[in-house]
Amino acid sequence: NAGVTQTPKFRVLKTGQSMTLLCAQDMNHEYMYWYRQDPGMGLRLIHYSVGEGTTAKGEVPDGYNVSRLKKQNFLLGLESAAPSQTSVYFCASSSPSSGRTATGELFFGEGSRLTVL
Amino acid sequence: QKEVEQDPGPLSVPEGAIVSLNCTYSNSAFQYFMWYRQYSRKGPELLMYTYSSGNKEDGRFTAQVDKSSKYISLFIRDSQPSDSATYLCAMSPNTGGFKTIFGAGTRLFVKA
Repeated sequence: NAGVTQTPKFRVLKTGQSMTLLCAQDMNHEYMYWYRQDPGMGLRLIHYSVGEGTTAKGEVPDGYNVSRLKKQNFLLGLESAAPSQTSVYFCASSSPSSGRTATGELFFGEGSRLTVL
Repeated sequence: QKEVEQDPGPLSVPEGAIVSLNCTYSNSAFQYFMWYRQYSRKGPELLMYTYSSGNKEDGRFTAQVDKSSKYISLFIRDSQPSDSATYLCAMSPNTGGFKTIFGAGTRLFVKA
């Protein structure tokens, strides 16, 4: 019963390097999201997708790109990493009527800790 | 001013205490109000959910929403060391998820 799986869990980059975070969900959810979590800032939405082949910008999209080629996967890319992108990244998925109470409950992965030196 | 305000704490209480966690918000369009619990080094998990105003109880947890004051609360009765976590309030105008706004989270420590 995997739910939402993120890889890698930890990564250290040098400024200017690129990388991709992978998110996979096995709940057949339509919606997927990438958040970043920073101390005192809560969870902030980077990009999201409401279906295969679609993506949209969230609150803090600059410096990131995403792709959703398959329904179960959502990739987050950093083309040229900056120290300001040091954060914990969470992937989440939901369905408009999923969860216990049809709230669109968000199901999160365990996070990917990225440090940019 | 943030759309959702939440005191980050930390809040430290003895085992068995009643805990009160709160958030205020400014967007009157919010209809869905949630509390997520996040253990250290883990992702958040939905703990409580309330639609519109009112109270909801689930075991030792009670969620309250006062839309007139734009204020939501989570009460934990008979707190346990296992309740030590960060509690994030979240709210949304719909079930789409992509409009969900999170508070900064309150770190709670329950001492045995």
